[in-house]
Amino acid sequence: SQQGEEDPQALSIQEGENATMNCSYKTSINNLQWYRQNSGRGLVHLILIRSNEREKHSGRLRVTLDTSKKSSSLLITASRAADTASYFCAPRRGGGATNKLIFGTGTLLAVQP
Amino acid sequence: DGGITQSPKYLFRKEGQNVTLSCEQNLNHDAMYWYRQDPGQGLRLIYYSQIVNDFQKGDIAEGYSVSREKKESFPLTVTSAQKNPTAFYLCASSMWTGQSGANVLTFGAGSRLTVL
Repeated sequence: SQQGEEDPQALSIQEGENATMNCSYKTSINNLQWYRQNSGRGLVHLILIRSNEREKHSGRLRVTLDTSKKSSSLLITASRAADTASYFCAPRRGGGATNKLIFGTGTLLAVQP
Repeated sequence: DGGITQSPKYLFRKEGQNVTLSCEQNLNHDAMYWYRQDPGQGLRLIYYSQIVNDFQKGDIAEGYSVSREKKESFPLTVTSAQKNPTAFYLCASSMWTGQSGANVLTFGAGSRLTVL
């Protein structure tokens, strides 16, 4: 399956702490993307990491990719209450695949003020 | 401003009725998608279209139909054959950047359908 599986399903932390979410997948990929969804809203693209990259940063976000383990992690540093949302990973298969992205069930992050 | 517009935001339907959800984008994106999300669950792909006048079934296409007559528009019809249509429906689009491209999705704000 092209679907990514996020872990943990839910995470509760205090404001200022770091939050780490993990994603595992099964097929070879061209890139892996992370999205965020606030309750009752659409998803918003956060960051993309290509298969030949190992780490990428964007503001308070840090993404790592280990293609040998078929896993990725998203780290949010110095979390804020506004980071409360669901986070989804979406692996994009390589080699002639279609455009479609398959999303998992996500990690629900709650940041307590 | 460029983006995706879904309408209506909330929709109520009686059992046995068909309903059409609208999705319009002005991003000049080639591909468009429909996902369904149930409470506490992830997104499941219903249909997607990579070019005008062509679309493909996703994982849960039964009871749904789509059309892609214009690049900007990808309406979804929830038919009476869909047994459990109450859900949050999300439309998305992306630029076709080749088979090795990024394929980053832009999502609409969603339409919540409730069957009474």
